[in-house]
This record gives sequence, C-alpha cells and structure tokens, in this order.
Amino acid sequence: EAQVTQNPRYLITVTGKKLTVTCSQNMNHEYMSWYRQDPGLGLRQIYYSMNVEVTDKGDVPEGYKVSRKEKRNFPLILESPSPNQTSLYFCASSPQHQGAAEAFFGQGTRLTVV
Amino acid sequence: GDSVTQMEGPVTLSEEAFLTINCTYTATGYPSLFWYVQYPGEGLQLLLKATKADDKGSNKGFEATYRKETTSFHLEKGSVQVSDSAVYFCALGGASYDKVIFGPGTSLSVIP
Repeated sequence: EAQVTQNPRYLITVTGKKLTVTCSQNMNHEYMSWYRQDPGLGLRQIYYSMNVEVTDKGDVPEGYKVSRKEKRNFPLILESPSPNQTSLYFCASSPQHQGAAEAFFGQGTRLTVV
Repeated sequence: GDSVTQMEGPVTLSEEAFLTINCTYTATGYPSLFWYVQYPGEGLQLLLKATKADDKGSNKGFEATYRKETTSFHLEKGSVQVSDSAVYFCALGGASYDKVIFGPGTSLSVIP
C-alpha cells in the first residue's frame, strides 16, 4: 500500500531534550516536506527536500533540522525543543521534483513540549 | 506573494443540505488548484484538483471549477452526509512552484 509513515504518532517531551520524528514513504517520490498545523494558522511548511541531499527552508524553519540521506526517509530533528514547538506535525511527499503536485500526507505526529 | 483565501468557518449544515466553500487565490503564474480534506485524527488527503482554467475537478460527489476570470475554485456538493464532516483546505501549486500553498482551512460539521 502506498503510504507516508510517521513515527511516533504522539510524543510528550521536556524542554531541551533532543528528539527526532521519522518519516518514510514507499512511493519513490523525489519531493518531501514537513508542515506544522496550529489552530488559526493553518499549515505552515517547515522544510522541504527536492531530492536526496537537497534540502531547503520553508516558511518556519527556526528550531528545526532535517536530513535527506535516502530517497525514502526525511526525519525532522528538534535539537532543543521549546514549548512553542508544541504542534501537530505532518510529513508529505509528492511524485514530481518540483514538489507542488499532489501531496501525500502522513497521519501526523502530535508533539507536546513541557 | 501567491496566496489562498478561504471562507471562515466553522460551517454547520444539516444532512442533505447543499454545500459551498468559497476559495479565491492570488497567483503570478499559472497554478494548479487543489482541494484537500482532513478527517478527524488523520492527515490531509487530496479530494480533487484542476490543472488549468475552466477545468472541473470532481470526486466523491464534490466538484470545483477553476475560474481564472474570478480567480476562484469554490467547492460544492449537492447533498452532504455526516461522513463529510472534516476540515477542507484549498491549495495551489504546480510545475512552476516549489511548494504547495494552502489556505487556512474550513471546518465543516454535518448534523443528522
């Protein structure tokens, strides 16, 4: 089954404790991206990647890191999480390298930073 | 910059009512237009799309027509069901874009 898989689905952590949210897709898509969803703010792009070893900042990259060592994986790293990073996070992939075609989304990761 | 505007929600309708969710966009290029749906507790999924002016996208009884003259892509359904309760996002993108630009979303609740 074609899908984007995120883990974990739920995470509660403390301020400053490094964490990684994994994202994997099995559709051989070139483009992958991370979004955060907050009430009243909609979806905001954090980082995106047009291909392996190519990443770029989205609209709200501060406090986040990403890497794209393999085509299928695109982990989101929070080196020192803060409470303002409490949010619902989505990973997405797209079949075109331009990245702006149909996007396939993961189930989401609800992160709480206390 | 390019942007998408949607009608404010939440929208509450009775089952079998007619649905319209307005969407307008601002774009310097020639975008494709999309409607995504997010059911409770799930990620977004593509509902329908249109890639050029006057195209009509349709899926699951929903329709939207790409209107370049009014820069609009309104979502319609003739008879909503309780299972249509979700958040709907209008978006634009396409070959000349490096990301999909989403509207703020419109929450729809359908009551029996």
